[in-house]
Order: sequence, then structure tokens, then C-alpha cells
Amino acid sequence: EIVMTQSPATLSVSPGERATLSCRASQSVSSNLAWYQQKPGQAPRLLIYGASTRATGIPARFSGSGSGTEFTLTISSLQSEDFAVYYCQQYNNWPPTITFGQGTRLEIK
Amino acid sequence: QVQLVQSGAEVKKPGASVKVSCKASGYTFTGYYMHWVRQAPGQGLEWMGRINPNSGGTNYAQKFQGRVTMTRDTSISTAYMELSRLRSDDTAVYYCARGIAVAPERYYFDYWGQGTLVTVSS
Repeated sequence: EIVMTQSPATLSVSPGERATLSCRASQSVSSNLAWYQQKPGQAPRLLIYGASTRATGIPARFSGSGSGTEFTLTISSLQSEDFAVYYCQQYNNWPPTITFGQGTRLEIK
Repeated sequence: QVQLVQSGAEVKKPGASVKVSCKASGYTFTGYYMHWVRQAPGQGLEWMGRINPNSGGTNYAQKFQGRVTMTRDTSISTAYMELSRLRSDDTAVYYCARGIAVAPERYYFDYWGQGTLVTVSS
């Protein structure tokens, strides 16, 4: 099973600043990586798929990069609604097992 | 618009079974695999498996093999997830999620249900 490790566990950033979240895979997942945002009491929301493609309706301040084992989610200028937990998910390995990172909590500084 | 609407919260005793439903609307139900993901309180996301609504074929995560059964009723565009022999550590919110395939058995999830809290307690 591919293990996804996110860092940091918690990130404190001020509104208007840039946030950089990391996700590392225990083996290559190519570009088969997605990012989700989850707010308290809500289901996850797809932000990025294919490592760098924004999902429909996702603001341009969200961007994803990376391939292989190292991935980054960048939020260029934090808005109040962006403070949430973010998960990465790989969908590359065979036999098919989908795994998520443990999450990064983005909090207001 | 795409919607996945799940059944309501459940309280079960250890050893019992629970069956959660997920009614899809706004798209062709048989055109997308349906997945189930759970989240224990304060924890991360855990993939449980998926069903092909067209054929009924399933693929379960190894951890849940033998305890989980995923089915569907195409006449009402509804998927079901049944988990048996419940334990206290099965207490979680269970989500259905529509899978987008980039290749055979490689999915990310574009729409999610609202979640169903299953509490296992004696």
C-alpha cells in the first residue's frame, strides 16, 4: 500500500498570505494525485486532480504542483473561507487501493 | 446538478450490521463508479471500496474484505454499503463519493454525499 504523508500537520498563516502544503508518497504515483478541502461538519470538496488541474469552480488562488513522490498545494492569498483541513489522495497503485494523507489543518494566525 | 443524498444517522450495537444508502441524481447513475469512504471522529479519510453501478461488480479494500458488501438498485439510482460485525472502532461518518476514472481502477472523487454518522455502542 502506498503511504501518503502530509506536512506540516498544522499550518498557521495570516489572511492574505501564501500557504504551502506538502504531500509525499512512499513510492511514485506519477501525477495521479488529488487534493481536497474539508470544513467542519462538511464532506470533502475536490480542489485539484492530476496533481495540477483545478476542479470546476475552484478559484485560481489554489494551485497544485509535483509528480512522482513530492507534491505541493499552494494557496496564493488566503481568504477567510480557506481555513480548513486539506487532504491529498493518490489513485495510482495496483491492485487498486486508494489512500489519503492524514491531513493538514490550515488555521488562522 | 449532481447530488448524492445519504440516509440518516444510525446507532448500532457491537456485532450488528448497518446498511447506508446513497441516492444519486443529476447524472446517469450507471455511468460512474460509486465509492465509499469513512472518517472516524477527528481522523482522516479511509477508502472502503467501490461498486460499478452498471454491472454490480465490486472492489473492496483489503481491510474490509469479508465485512463489507456494496450493492445498488439502478431503478432508483441508489447505492448501498452494508458493514457487518460492527465494532466500536467502526464509529465514523460514512461518505459515498462519485469516482472519476483516469484509467481502469484509478479514481478521484468529484462529488460526495453529505455523510452518514454510524455510532457503534453497547
